[in-house]
Amino acid sequence: AQTVTQSQPEMSVQEAETVTLSCTYDTSESDYYLFWYKQPPSRQMILVIRQEAYKQQNATENRFSVNFQKAAKSFSLKISDSQLGDAAMYFCAYTGANSKLTFGKGITLSVRP
Amino acid sequence: KAGVTQTPRYLIKTRGQQVTLSCSPISGHRSVSWYQQTPGQGLQFLFEYFSETQRNKGNFPGRFSGRQFSNSRSEMNVSTLELGDSALYLCASSSGMSVITNYGYTFGSGTRLTVV
Repeated sequence: AQTVTQSQPEMSVQEAETVTLSCTYDTSESDYYLFWYKQPPSRQMILVIRQEAYKQQNATENRFSVNFQKAAKSFSLKISDSQLGDAAMYFCAYTGANSKLTFGKGITLSVRP
Repeated sequence: KAGVTQTPRYLIKTRGQQVTLSCSPISGHRSVSWYQQTPGQGLQFLFEYFSETQRNKGNFPGRFSGRQFSNSRSEMNVSTLELGDSALYLCASSSGMSVITNYGYTFGSGTRLTVV
């Protein structure tokens, strides 16, 4: 069975600074996708970024980028130039052949003005 | 393009009752998945429907069931409600393509179910 681990329950970052959220996963599959989702107080899960396992290049979406280390099964999210609106719960998630999402426990990110 | 719509937003039920939640996916999406989110257990997969067929099922008791209609709208039903069923129920839709072309899942805002 696949597992996703987010070991940090909370992190804080100063506005305009950079923060990195950690995630590790375990799987025996060779084809899979990894995602970072953001869940603000409005409850809706918003897709931040996705990474295909077969692509070596790290995904980037504006201020959000990932460091994907396939051999180490590590998938961290870097948020640059942090903004107040980035404050939310962030979930790392995995999906493979069975198309179900397996989530980590999440991390609460606060942004200090 | 309209997003994923879940109704109702909030629901309060009594133990022993049953409840039906609804999810309308993004137009053109054929896969609908359901997740339960609680503070203790986090996000757990309930089941997935694709083209009116259950394609995957999580580890939940038989009291939790679902279905999908020909227009891809999905409902989930929980019978004989227990206090522990209080949770945020999230629905996600996707194109349902293979893992090779998975563009991600779009979530609704969820239904907050409280069992008293």
